[in-house]
Amino acid sequence: AQRVTQPEKLLSVFKGAPVELKCNYSYSGSPELFWYVQYSRQRLQLLLRHISRESIKGFTADLNKGETSFHLKKPFAQEEDSAMYYCALSGEIQGAQKLVFGQGTRLTINP
Amino acid sequence: EPEVTQTPSHQVTQMGQEVILRCVPISNHLYFYWYRQILGQKVEFLVSFYNNEISEKSEIFDDQFSVERPDGSNFTLKIRSTKLEDSAMYFCASNWYGYTFGSGTRLTVV
Repeated sequence: AQRVTQPEKLLSVFKGAPVELKCNYSYSGSPELFWYVQYSRQRLQLLLRHISRESIKGFTADLNKGETSFHLKKPFAQEEDSAMYYCALSGEIQGAQKLVFGQGTRLTINP
Repeated sequence: EPEVTQTPSHQVTQMGQEVILRCVPISNHLYFYWYRQILGQKVEFLVSFYNNEISEKSEIFDDQFSVERPDGSNFTLKIRSTKLEDSAMYFCASNWYGYTFGSGTRLTVV
């Protein structure tokens, strides 16, 4: 079964501090992993996908197949990073790509 | 940047009524989806649509739900007889080498 677990519902850090949002997944094959962000009252936006290996807004995420994790990291948090973050998995690299989402982590950056 | 457009942004309906949620996907995308998010819960896949037919659906997507792409631009989700538990945010998305989500329709069933 495909499952995505985000163990922290809420995460609060101070501006300038490092941030790590945890994501673990369960999938028998080779999934594609994503991080989506949802700012207040806005649509879900793609932040990262593991196959592109790029850094967006200072965030990075490394796929660790041994630990089945895809944690999201940023070395210095900014107030505008406050948002809801969702880790998601797809069992297909292309094609229909149904997404399975985690519960989400609400990140609050304190000034 | 192209957007997925959803209308209405908020719909209130009485239990047992039919509702149609509308979406205009990005024009050159080939895959279309509906997801929902009940308040406080995770985003859940409902259905995917490709080549004018359903390619996959979840167990949530029962006989009360249907999707259509009536005119080559709109993509609709119909709920035939709404229940209280259908109250949720419904997201449309389209995909062609990358997902784009709409801003959602908040459906409230009273």
